[in-house]
Amino acid sequence: AQKITQTQPGMFVQEKEAVTLDCTYDTSDPSYGLFWYKQPSSGEMIFLIYQGSYDQQNATEGRYSLNFQKARKSANLVISASQLGDSAMYFCAMREGDDAGKSTFGDGTTLTVKP
Amino acid sequence: KAGVTQTPRYLIKTRGQQVTLSCSPISGHRSVSWYQQTPGQGLQFLFEYFSETQRNKGNFPGRFSGRQFSNSRSEMNVSTLELGDSALYLCASSLGQDRETQYFGPGTRLLVL
Repeated sequence: AQKITQTQPGMFVQEKEAVTLDCTYDTSDPSYGLFWYKQPSSGEMIFLIYQGSYDQQNATEGRYSLNFQKARKSANLVISASQLGDSAMYFCAMREGDDAGKSTFGDGTTLTVKP
Repeated sequence: KAGVTQTPRYLIKTRGQQVTLSCSPISGHRSVSWYQQTPGQGLQFLFEYFSETQRNKGNFPGRFSGRQFSNSRSEMNVSTLELGDSALYLCASSLGQDRETQYFGPGTRLLVL
């Protein structure tokens, strides 16, 4: 079974609107971290936001927020006030307990922001 | 603080050759992880080095190897290149603690002809 599932291969959003990118995960480890990365066409993976499994509040970083629903094992990324520069591939990732440097990634969602 | 750097950024090789990629982590970071990204397989974990020791290894053949130096810089080597090795190779650095954020470099695009 896939550990990280991103069910939206592609998404479109109008500039200045908000968009939610879905991510569900599968783990039996009570201690884990969830991450979102942005990958523009240049290839670099840019860290956006982190949520720890024991964090009581949803993480926020500027225009990015993470809708963390632990019981449903979902960690959706919300981007508010979309900008043209937000057009990129977005990856959800997880690191579990004693993972020794390994992140597990989903297949990604391509976001296109329309002017 | 300078980010993760990778050299070279682009590389073209022919089948059967070998290649060495380099990664310099963020200053103070002791963990370097390597990933292979292809359109078909997505992002796959190759291995991780911490304080010059390989701590973890993904499911790749022995043609893929790496090492880490005392200054935490890491190299990855692929011998006897195959067409399927064409990919974006990303390295990521972190302090080395469990479940912490990994910061990625710009990647090396390898094309095998």
